[in-house]
Amino acid sequence: GESVGLHLPTLSVQEGDNSIINCAYSNSASDYFIWYKQESGKGPQFIIDIRSNMDKRQGQRVTVLLNKTVKHLSLQIAATQPGDSAVYFCAENRGTGRRALTFGSGTRLQVQP
Amino acid sequence: NAGVTQTPKFQVLKTGQSMTLQCAQDMNHNSMYWYRQDPGMGLRLIYYSASEGTTDKGEVPNGYNVSRLNKREFSLRLESAAPSQTSVYFCASSEGPTNTEAFFGQGTRLTVV
Repeated sequence: GESVGLHLPTLSVQEGDNSIINCAYSNSASDYFIWYKQESGKGPQFIIDIRSNMDKRQGQRVTVLLNKTVKHLSLQIAATQPGDSAVYFCAENRGTGRRALTFGSGTRLQVQP
Repeated sequence: NAGVTQTPKFQVLKTGQSMTLQCAQDMNHNSMYWYRQDPGMGLRLIYYSASEGTTDKGEVPNGYNVSRLNKREFSLRLESAAPSQTSVYFCASSEGPTNTEAFFGQGTRLTVV
């Protein structure tokens, strides 16, 4: 069935490096995407969102890229810090009639000092 | 502002017992959601309420009921708990039903023995 998925379950990076977390989606009707960060024992926290009429959106140290041609979403974190260690989820809103976000299975980011 | 508040934070139930998970938000949001998160997995939607007075089933509604008591509160009830319902439950709210960021509570860790 249609789903949001991730390519890598665990990503390990060195402190100070850039991180890229990828997400594939299969529903072409999806028109809104969000990246969430979840630290151990806590609820998901909003990082950045992007609408389907955009290709790129930047925040503080984070950039989300959307490639609608191949249905791919990525989260780039610049100068990764130990505090970035967490599980990252992409979520999609599948357009009209679907009134809640659908989440992928998550990628664990481990930042090595 | 407290955001989204869930009670209790932890609960252990015996198989067949019932309980209600409480959720309240103080952001004047129209839409509220209940998700469950199983170990190593993403969040799956149980029920949602697009606006006060309405509730709809999500991806995994079996074994649960919900009540949108008022605009602030959205409760989740387990009538007869089963071990398969052992999970972490998250409540969330958003301004509207589509294309808006959802804010999450800290979660309720439920164990059914």
